[in-house]
Amino acid sequence: AQSVTQPDIHITVSEGASLELRCNYSYGATPYLFWYVQSPGQGLQLLLKYFSGDTLVQGIKGFEAEFKRSQSSFNLRKPSVHWSDAAEYFCAGKNNNDMRFGAGTRLTVKP
Amino acid sequence: DTGVSQDPRHKITKRGQNVTFRCDPISEHNRLYWYRQTLGQGPEFLTYFQNEAQLEKSRLLSDRFSAERPKGSFSTLEIQRTEQGDSAMYLCASLQAYNEQFFGPGTRLTVL
Repeated sequence: AQSVTQPDIHITVSEGASLELRCNYSYGATPYLFWYVQSPGQGLQLLLKYFSGDTLVQGIKGFEAEFKRSQSSFNLRKPSVHWSDAAEYFCAGKNNNDMRFGAGTRLTVKP
Repeated sequence: DTGVSQDPRHKITKRGQNVTFRCDPISEHNRLYWYRQTLGQGPEFLTYFQNEAQLEKSRLLSDRFSAERPKGSFSTLEIQRTEQGDSAMYLCASLQAYNEQFFGPGTRLTVL
């Protein structure tokens, strides 16, 4: 079955520290891959997407993600976290019209 | 603001009542999706429309749920005889062709 897994439910980092959020996918073929961010009580905002081509994808707010086919992963990174990055992050995969989301990783930023 | 709006933002209802939510997508987007998100989970697909045609429904969409997109623009999601298990955030998203989905702010439903 197609699925997206985010192994970390909750991550805490200090402001200014680097961040990596993990995402693994299980699809028959490489899906389109996305990272979304959700602030409390809000909808989802797209950070970045991967369809094909360059495996290192740049997004908004200083985020980037790297697609690694050999590891079936699409991890999200940011070199220096800001307090405003505290939110819930969702990885998603899309194959045809089937969009699957991971369970999310909640990011807490310590001062 | 993504350009997708949802109304109402919050709805509190008693068990057994009917509720209806509305989604207004980005005007040029021909595809519209409904998702349900419960606490601590990612969104789960419910159904999607291409223009006015409802092309796919998840098995999560029981017969108490119905969705329409009568003119291929806005969409409504109705839940009849609500149950406490229906309490969730209901998200709408729209897209054009194969581009990324743009999500609305969601409607948070609480069933007492």
